Amino acid sequence: EIMMTQSPDTLSVSPGERVTLSCRASQSISSNLAWYQQKPGQAPRLLIYGASTRATGIPAKFSGSGSGTEFTLTISSLQSEDFAVYYCQQYDNWPPYTFGQGTKLDVK
Amino acid sequence: QVQLQESGPRLVKPSQTLSLTCTVSGDSVTTGDYYWSWIRQHPGKGLEWIGYVYYTGGTYYNPSFKSRLNISVDTSKNQFSLRLNSVTAADTAVYYCARDLRHGNWFDPWGQGALVTVSS
Repeated sequence: EIMMTQSPDTLSVSPGERVTLSCRASQSISSNLAWYQQKPGQAPRLLIYGASTRATGIPAKFSGSGSGTEFTLTISSLQSEDFAVYYCQQYDNWPPYTFGQGTKLDVK
Repeated sequence: QVQLQESGPRLVKPSQTLSLTCTVSGDSVTTGDYYWSWIRQHPGKGLEWIGYVYYTGGTYYNPSFKSRLNISVDTSKNQFSLRLNSVTAADTAVYYCARDLRHGNWFDPWGQGALVTVSS
């Protein structure tokens, strides 16, 4: 089973800032990585697939990069609606698909 | 617009069977491009993929659940279902259904989720 590790667990940032979240796989997963956003009381929402392709309707302020074992999600100009928990998910080697433990974006 | 909605008992006794159904609207479960997945999230924790079903009835399960899990599809009702046997308090979680792109394997969209509590 591939382990996904996200860092940091929590990130405190101010509105308007740019932030980068990290996700590391325990072995190479090529570009078979997705990112999700989850707000309190809501289901996760797909942001990025293929490590860098934005899902339908996702604004350009969200960008993903990386391949192999190291991946990042960058969010520019943070607004109030962006403060949420972000998860990465690998789909290279399954079953099972596996998720990272999540990074929570907090308002500083 | 594709929507998924979970339904089923929200309280299950230990050792009994957890049963949930996901009703799909705006798409057909017989669309060959997708698998139909179940994912759960323990309170305040991360996400755990449980398994998926294809419209043919074929399934793929997380090995962690294999011995007590059954996922099925009802094409006539455009639904798919989860049955998890011999539950314990550790199975208390929010259960989500989600559409899983067959040649991609990311999840979009998700249902709103159903909190199922295992308690006597």
